[in-house]
Amino acid sequence: DTEVTQTPKHLVMGMTNKKSLKCEQHMGHRAMYWYKQKAKKPPELMFVYSYEKLSINESVPSRFSPECPNSSLLNLHLHALQPEDSALYLCASSQWDRSGNTIYFGEGSWLTVV
Amino acid sequence: AQKVTQAQTEISVVEKEDVTLDCVYETRDTTYYLFWYKQPPSGELVFLIRRNSFDEQNEISGRYSWNFQKSTSSFNFTITASQVVDSAVYFCALSEREGNGSRLTFGEGTQLTVNP
Repeated sequence: DTEVTQTPKHLVMGMTNKKSLKCEQHMGHRAMYWYKQKAKKPPELMFVYSYEKLSINESVPSRFSPECPNSSLLNLHLHALQPEDSALYLCASSQWDRSGNTIYFGEGSWLTVV
Repeated sequence: AQKVTQAQTEISVVEKEDVTLDCVYETRDTTYYLFWYKQPPSGELVFLIRRNSFDEQNEISGRYSWNFQKSTSSFNFTITASQVVDSAVYFCALSEREGNGSRLTFGEGTQLTVNP
């Protein structure tokens, strides 16, 4: 079982709604990520948090707002989304050690915007 | 810029056949990390293996084996005696360090279907 947990598993929201995706890890990792994956495509990086600070924003529209309340939690706040934002949203975490860095993913949140 | 190429978009085999998934990468880094992930229909990306560029030793884990060849920039994945449960999309990925994190460059993925 994955040690990165995401909620909710499925979310349907209207274009005027505000919702949030949540992610939690207890592996002591200090880097956390949000990826977006469309059908039949590889995941695309959205945001990276390092030591609770945003270190990478891949030019993501402001209707996606990440938040890292502490080293174990990562949220993605959603507002005024478009139908084309419907996708699988994957959270991940990692930590460098002497041998390298492995990124572990959660089960994902399937988002449908109607 | 980094690039990962998985030339096989789809592979279909019959159970118990051996199957090899190809992965070719490009990078200018002297130190890099290669990964294979499995993604079943449920969506989770399951980590299978990480190989560091300075470690060319091939690895076997049960029915899975990986062949890393720096000379040809390839990191191929073989499943021996395939099973229906192996049906999934498999991604090869290359990472570069970004501070305390990493940036993963994925290949387009290979859809493996194992038929009974």
